[in-house]
Amino acid sequence: GENVEQHPSTLSVQEGDSAVIKCTYSDSASNYFPWYKQELGKRPQLIIDIRSNVGEKKDQRIAVTLNKTAKHFSLHITETQPEDSAVYFCAASKGSNYQLIWGAGTKLIIKP
Amino acid sequence: GAGVSQSPSNKVTEKGKDVELRCDPISGHTALYWYRQSLGQGLEFLIYFQGNSAPDKSGLPSDRFSAERTGGSVSTLTIQRTQQEDSAVYLCASSGVLADNEQFFGPGTRLTVL
Repeated sequence: GENVEQHPSTLSVQEGDSAVIKCTYSDSASNYFPWYKQELGKRPQLIIDIRSNVGEKKDQRIAVTLNKTAKHFSLHITETQPEDSAVYFCAASKGSNYQLIWGAGTKLIIKP
Repeated sequence: GAGVSQSPSNKVTEKGKDVELRCDPISGHTALYWYRQSLGQGLEFLIYFQGNSAPDKSGLPSDRFSAERTGGSVSTLTIQRTQQEDSAVYLCASSGVLADNEQFFGPGTRLTVL
């Protein structure tokens, strides 16, 4: 079955710098790749997603890139701010009627 | 309701007791998921319901865990003979017609087994 690996497990960056979190997946049939953010004590919430028919998607300071050949996708956060501190989860799915397979999560720490 | 709700928000129980956790998904969502999250850890998949299909129970850690979904809406996760290692936050999520739609999470039930 599908396996999603996420790196790093912890990432500490200076406020204002960029952060990149990477995920790899094993099933080439996967075609949907969302990213969720979980703030301390809160529930996970979708922040951005990408489907396999595009290579990049942006939403203000966050972007996701997808390399289908290499089977990896990445979350990019620019101009990091204190409120970006959270745990970020990537996931992959083969689409309708298939569940999401989750990465283990990355704890992002923004240093003031 | 506006979102996924779960009850109770907190549950403290004694080892060996049974507990029931409830999830009310967003109206009309056909997919419902249960996850377990220990402190500082990731999302551990437990069970997945999709419409009228047989649920995917592959994530249930032991036969003490079971779940049902009545009428395609409300779901109950039951843990029998609770153990201390069952202590965690239990999260429920639902999604729309297509399983790869956004998953909306409930606030979770924090279970503490003494």
